[in-house]
Amino acid sequence: AQSVTQPDIHITVSEGASLELRCNYSYGATPYLFWYVQSPGQGLQLLLKYFSGDTLVQGIKGFEAEFKRSQSSFNLRKPSVHWSDAAEYFCAVEDSGAGSYQLTFGKGTKLSVIP
Amino acid sequence: DGGITQSPKYLFRKEGQNVTLSCEQNLNHDAMYWYRQDPGQGLRLIYYSQIVNDFQKGDIAEGYSVSREKKESFPLTVTSAQKNPTAFYLCASMRTTGPGTEAFFGQGTRLTVV
Repeated sequence: AQSVTQPDIHITVSEGASLELRCNYSYGATPYLFWYVQSPGQGLQLLLKYFSGDTLVQGIKGFEAEFKRSQSSFNLRKPSVHWSDAAEYFCAVEDSGAGSYQLTFGKGTKLSVIP
Repeated sequence: DGGITQSPKYLFRKEGQNVTLSCEQNLNHDAMYWYRQDPGQGLRLIYYSQIVNDFQKGDIAEGYSVSREKKESFPLTVTSAQKNPTAFYLCASMRTTGPGTEAFFGQGTRLTVV
């Protein structure tokens, strides 16, 4: 079965600093990978996704992620964090086998931003 | 505007009561999902449905029930058999035209047992 690990439960960065959130996945075939963001008490919004091609993908709000098959990783990055980026971030892998479309989520990384 | 609407936003349940959470979508998506979110646990799949009148259990279906009588609607009932129902519940929908499609989420319902 597929699984997603986000090793960092909580990260605090200063506004303007760079950010990297880690994600490792376990999946037998070519993975379809996603990063979602959740503001407190809200639903999830898609930041970016990878399913083929260029291993560096660009998303909304200045985020990017790099797929590294050899490391089974899909880390999320942003060069300069803004206070509005404070939220919880979820990495997910899609299981599209046998016609099912299910997402398996990591446990999330909460980002705090110091002004 | 197309989207997913969950209601109510906050719900309080007494011990032993069944409660139903509403989820409606106007995105014309075939697949709909219910997730439970607890602090530090991420999202766990309760039930999902890929076509009308059909649904499958997810990882934590015990104590929950669903129906899918219309494409647009996928209500979740939290029964008295669910021993720890206090959580944040998220509904999502997705096209099923191929892998790698985006899931769209509602704004969630926070259920509290009083």
